[in-house]
Amino acid sequence: EDKVVQSPLSLVVHEGDTVTLNCSYEVTNFRSLLWYKQEKKAPTFLFMLTSSGIEKKSGRLSSILDKKELFSILNITATQTGDSAVYLCAVAGGSQGNLIFGKGTKLSVKP
Amino acid sequence: DTEVTQTPKHLVMGMTNKKSLKCEQHMGHRAMYWYKQKAKKPPELMFVYSYEKLSINESVPSRFSPECPNSSLLNLHLHALQPEDSALYLCASSLTRRWGVGMNTEAFFGQGTRLTVV
Repeated sequence: EDKVVQSPLSLVVHEGDTVTLNCSYEVTNFRSLLWYKQEKKAPTFLFMLTSSGIEKKSGRLSSILDKKELFSILNITATQTGDSAVYLCAVAGGSQGNLIFGKGTKLSVKP
Repeated sequence: DTEVTQTPKHLVMGMTNKKSLKCEQHMGHRAMYWYKQKAKKPPELMFVYSYEKLSINESVPSRFSPECPNSSLLNLHLHALQPEDSALYLCASSLTRRWGVGMNTEAFFGQGTRLTVV
């Protein structure tokens, strides 16, 4: 059965800390791995990763994929209270080629 | 324009009502999706439309009826819902359903409709 596992499930840090969120997967017909940030409503797209070892970066956020070890990490440096959200990892693949979501990591950044 | 627009934002309906959720995108995306999300859970796929044709129905009860009138619009018709159907309903779109290297098919989500069935 295809699965995407995120860890930790929740995390509390203080402003300025650096955090690393983990996403491991066992998905047949892997196509790509996507990271989303979800606050009150819709998930907002962060990164899509398809190749191993190539870091994607956007401001204080960065992400990398390891297709050999079947995981990805999302790093956030110098965290701010506005980074508080649920971070969802999704893998496009499986028999139907759909997005398979992990349960998310709830990040709380305290002032 | 990288926006997926959903209406209404909130909906309260009785178990005998008929209502519709609407989703619109103008990015030229040919794959559109309905997801259901319960509190503190990830989105669960309900339906996938590809080139205006229903390609996946994830065993969703018939009280949910999707419709794709054209490549920019996706509706979800609701009838005789149950209180346990209360959830956030998310629409998403991507360029195609074909995910893969070299095809940057990010999926964009709408803001969702918060549905409460009473």
